[in-house]
Amino acid sequence: NAGVTQTPKFRVLKTGQSMTLLCAQDMNHEYMYWYRQDPGMGLRLIHYSVGEGTTAKGEVPDGYNVSRLKKQNFLLGLESAAPSQTSVYFCASRNLGPGNTEAFFGQGTRLTVV
Amino acid sequence: EDQVTQSPEALRLQEGESSSLNCSYTVSGLRGLFWYRQDPGKGPEFLFTLYSAGEEKEKERLKATLTKKESFLHITAPKPEDSATYLCAVQASDYKLSFGAGTTVTVRA
Repeated sequence: NAGVTQTPKFRVLKTGQSMTLLCAQDMNHEYMYWYRQDPGMGLRLIHYSVGEGTTAKGEVPDGYNVSRLKKQNFLLGLESAAPSQTSVYFCASRNLGPGNTEAFFGQGTRLTVV
Repeated sequence: EDQVTQSPEALRLQEGESSSLNCSYTVSGLRGLFWYRQDPGKGPEFLFTLYSAGEEKEKERLKATLTKKESFLHITAPKPEDSATYLCAVQASDYKLSFGAGTTVTVRA
């Protein structure tokens, strides 16, 4: 029972390089999210998706793009990495049912941009 | 804009010394308040959801309560394994969860 899986777990990039972070969930959840977590700032929403083929901007979307071509996958792209994007990135998924349901998180991707 | 403030930032406890963490929030139309536990190097792990003022939930040594402006996470007789960062999040719309910065709890044996 994998839940939410993020790939890779660690990565070091040089300024200006590009990369894609992959998030996969096996719970058939409709909603998926990308957050970044920085010391003292909590989790900040980058982008989110309310279903296959949809994406929307969160609080801190600049410098990132996302795609959700398949319901189970949510990709986060950095086209030209900057040192300010050094952070820990978390993917989460959840469903919306009667009441509200909790989000399930992946283990995180630690990204360093030098 | 939704705001979530957690206090204190850090809490050091002796084993068995009970205490409380605070999460104060400002949202228009609360749909749910969530508590998560996060261990170093790992993703947040769900603990509780509270939906309305007066609601309480318990799990082992943890008890969460909710008022119209804040939530408390009470830790009773903590053990070293309760050491973690505790995150509070609020939901005011269908999709968005807004998180506080967390309280890091350290329990010494």
